[in-house]
Amino acid sequence: NAGVTQTPKFQVLKTGQSMTLQCAQDMNHNSMYWYRQDPGMGLRLIYYSASEGTTDKGEVPNGYNVSRLNKREFSLRLESAAPSQTSVYFCASGFRGPSYGYTFGSGTRLTVV
Amino acid sequence: GENVGLHLPTLSVQEGDNSIINCAYSNSASDYFIWYKQESGKGPQFIIDIRSNMDKRQGQRVTVLLNKTVKHLSLQIAATQPGDSAVYFCAETGGAQKLVFGQGTRLTINP
Repeated sequence: NAGVTQTPKFQVLKTGQSMTLQCAQDMNHNSMYWYRQDPGMGLRLIYYSASEGTTDKGEVPNGYNVSRLNKREFSLRLESAAPSQTSVYFCASGFRGPSYGYTFGSGTRLTVV
Repeated sequence: GENVGLHLPTLSVQEGDNSIINCAYSNSASDYFIWYKQESGKGPQFIIDIRSNMDKRQGQRVTVLLNKTVKHLSLQIAATQPGDSAVYFCAETGGAQKLVFGQGTRLTINP
């Protein structure tokens, strides 16, 4: 049982380059999320998917796109990377029941130069 | 708007003492409050949560207290151990299954 798996773990991009961050969960969760965490800060929601086939903007969606490929996979795409997108990106999945069972991946550390 | 924040950015305690980490929130409509622990280089790890209709919930060595009157949330860690060193985040949720995180408190354990 791997939980939430993110790839890659580290990435360096040049300004203007594009890339896709991959996330997969094996817990049969309906909801999936992408957060970014800047140094000394909390996590800010970029996009989320409450269920397969739906996606919605979070607090900081500009410069990103997402795809809920199926129930397991939720990808985050940077079409034209900017230095302001240098951050650690976390994917999470969860369900809403008697208790919130949000599980986070280990993160992708992205540097844009 | 939604806002979850923390009173103190850092907290140092002696090993074996109890730790209390505080959090203020502003969204009265939130129905769940959650505490996460984040160790260096890792993703946040769920510790404990509490529903808005409760004022106290206990787990293993941890207790969460919710005071809706003053919109205050706290995490108490009993007999703090070196492994408790981490950044602790409170988060709130209400509607649309989204979590809003506070800034975080770094807990340091002194031997």
